[in-house]
Amino acid sequence: DVKVTQSSRYLVKRTGEKVFLECVQDMDHENMFWYRQDPGLGLRLIYFSYDVKMKEKGDIPEGYSVSREKKERFSLILESASTNQTSMYLCASRQIRAQGANTEAFFGQGTRLTVV
Amino acid sequence: SQQGEEDPQALSIQEGENATMNCSYKTSINNLQWYRQNSGRGLVHLILIRSNEREKHSGRLRVTLDTSKKSSSLLITASRAADTASYFCATVLNSGYSTLTFGKGTMLLVSP
Repeated sequence: DVKVTQSSRYLVKRTGEKVFLECVQDMDHENMFWYRQDPGLGLRLIYFSYDVKMKEKGDIPEGYSVSREKKERFSLILESASTNQTSMYLCASRQIRAQGANTEAFFGQGTRLTVV
Repeated sequence: SQQGEEDPQALSIQEGENATMNCSYKTSINNLQWYRQNSGRGLVHLILIRSNEREKHSGRLRVTLDTSKKSSSLLITASRAADTASYFCATVLNSGYSTLTFGKGTMLLVSP
């Protein structure tokens, strides 16, 4: 059974803290994504990665960075957390190379982050 | 930038009725996908329709795609209370390394 696992379901952090959100997939997928989801705004892409050590900015990368040292793990980093980063964060992975673009994404259960 | 936009934003129906959700998008696509999200959880893939397909079925789901109008619809037939969830469309552009761009979703409430 395919699995994308996010390290925490709920997280509360203080303003200014450095925050790490971890995501692990067991499907050997090349493509991994971080989205944030806010009411009325849907899912917005923060960063994505095509392969180990590769990263690309999404639509809203400001205030975030990512790390992909191993194929199965994609970490989202909030360098200095702010209250406007309170949100639901969703990690996803997707197979690309063999099937091209016609593949689905698999999502983790989400991390609800509150910055106080 | 938002590629897909779902309509309506919210839909409330009775069990047994059909639910139709629409998605419009702006640029040419390789495929369009529909996802479901139960409250507070991750998204689950429902169905993928390629740009050269016009209709696809999966169980009680029927998806149509009209590339000339840049729109898609998701029909859930004989709805059940367990279908209560948010539904999102996601577009994939014409590139093997393209990302998925999601709309804002339709919240479906099915009452017993």
